[in-house]
Amino acid sequence: AQSVAQPEDQVNVAEGNPLTVKCTYSVSGNPYLFWYVQYPNRGLQFLLKYITGDNLVKGSYGFEAEFNKSQTSFHLKKPSALVSDSALYFCAVRPLYNQGGKLIFGQGTELSVKP
Amino acid sequence: DADVTQTPRNRITKTGKRIMLECSQTKGHDRMYWYRQDPGLGLRLIYYSFDVKDINKGEISDGYSVSRQAQAKFSLSLESAIPNQTALYFCATSDGTGSYEQYFGPGTRLTVT
Repeated sequence: AQSVAQPEDQVNVAEGNPLTVKCTYSVSGNPYLFWYVQYPNRGLQFLLKYITGDNLVKGSYGFEAEFNKSQTSFHLKKPSALVSDSALYFCAVRPLYNQGGKLIFGQGTELSVKP
Repeated sequence: DADVTQTPRNRITKTGKRIMLECSQTKGHDRMYWYRQDPGLGLRLIYYSFDVKDINKGEISDGYSVSRQAQAKFSLSLESAIPNQTALYFCATSDGTGSYEQYFGPGTRLTVT
């Protein structure tokens, strides 16, 4: 079965430190990969995506993600965390041969950045 | 995202009642989706629509139905609400022409008592 895993329910980081939110996937073929962020009482906002090309992709708010095909991972990173980055982060995968553009979501990781 | 709106934003209803959640978009996208979010489970797809004449079941469609009244409108109905349908519901859209990312509405928090 195709799936996405975010192994950490919560990540705690001090402001100014680098952060990593992990994501691994299990789908056939070469998928399209996405990160979304959800702030309290808000819908999901698109952060970045990997379709093809450079394995390191840059997105909104200083976030970036690294695609690793051999490890089937797509970890979200930021060099210096801000308190305002505190939110719920979702990794999502669109399998290549997938009708309708359906996304498979991970269960989410709560990021908490403390001053 | 103001381009995708959902009504109502919050709703409390009783078991057995019929309820409709509405979604409208001004992005001009053909594809629309309904998800539910439960803590620890991420988002799960209920139904999706390629265009007005195309409706497809997602992974958890039992107990739900949808209607695509126009390109811009996609409503979700619970024919007879039950407590385990208490969740946060999101509508999303995508253009289907290659960018692939989906744009989400603000969500509807539904409580079934």
